[in-house]
Amino acid sequence: DQQVKQNSPSLSVQEGRISILNCDYTNSMFDYFLWYKKYPAEGPTFLISISSIKDKNEDGRFTVFLNKSAKHLSLHIVPSQPGDSAVYFCAATSTGAGSYQLTFGKGTKLSVIP
Amino acid sequence: DAGITQSPRHKVTETGTPVTLRCHQTENHRYMYWYRQDPGHGLRLIHYSYGVKDTDKGEVSDGYSVSRSKTEDFLLTLESATSSQTSVYFCAISEMQTGGYTFGSGTRLTVV
Repeated sequence: DQQVKQNSPSLSVQEGRISILNCDYTNSMFDYFLWYKKYPAEGPTFLISISSIKDKNEDGRFTVFLNKSAKHLSLHIVPSQPGDSAVYFCAATSTGAGSYQLTFGKGTKLSVIP
Repeated sequence: DAGITQSPRHKVTETGTPVTLRCHQTENHRYMYWYRQDPGHGLRLIHYSYGVKDTDKGEVSDGYSVSRSKTEDFLLTLESATSSQTSVYFCAISEMQTGGYTFGSGTRLTVV
């Protein structure tokens, strides 16, 4: 039973265009969401997060949108750069649970074409 | 860089042998986690710790045990390695307030 779903295993985007990565979740207790980026042979690195009390969070070229009613979040990268090519993991947690376990999706491999 | 290191970085072992992976942090974070990454599965939680001697199971804990005798060290042991445990293992640390993790660089384990 997958609680965090990233239904697109891969995505290709031209340099300079917008990349949109999607994530769906099923657990209504999740109230904090994060995106991680992972390069080959490295550990994932934190990118951006959003609390369920917000519907948008921006950090430079990265914006995360949260639609609680649809249990859907998306990561927008504008403009996309070749260095953004990586695997992106969506993650979620229930902060009330106290242990701060993150549940991850399977990841989406983004390729930005120069 | 965050003070989290994993050792070894690579290991090849034979089926049936015990294996211990080490995660060491210098951040004094309370929470530590072990995940495995496999193609088609993403990152799955094996075990986690919320303090010295306080550990709990994650989603895929069968065949694994952990120990945390000091704040800075979290050990993952494969009691009797099997080929299905061939994977990349990541350790992570976190502070309660943020909920975000800092990951180590990973250990690539091959069981032959």
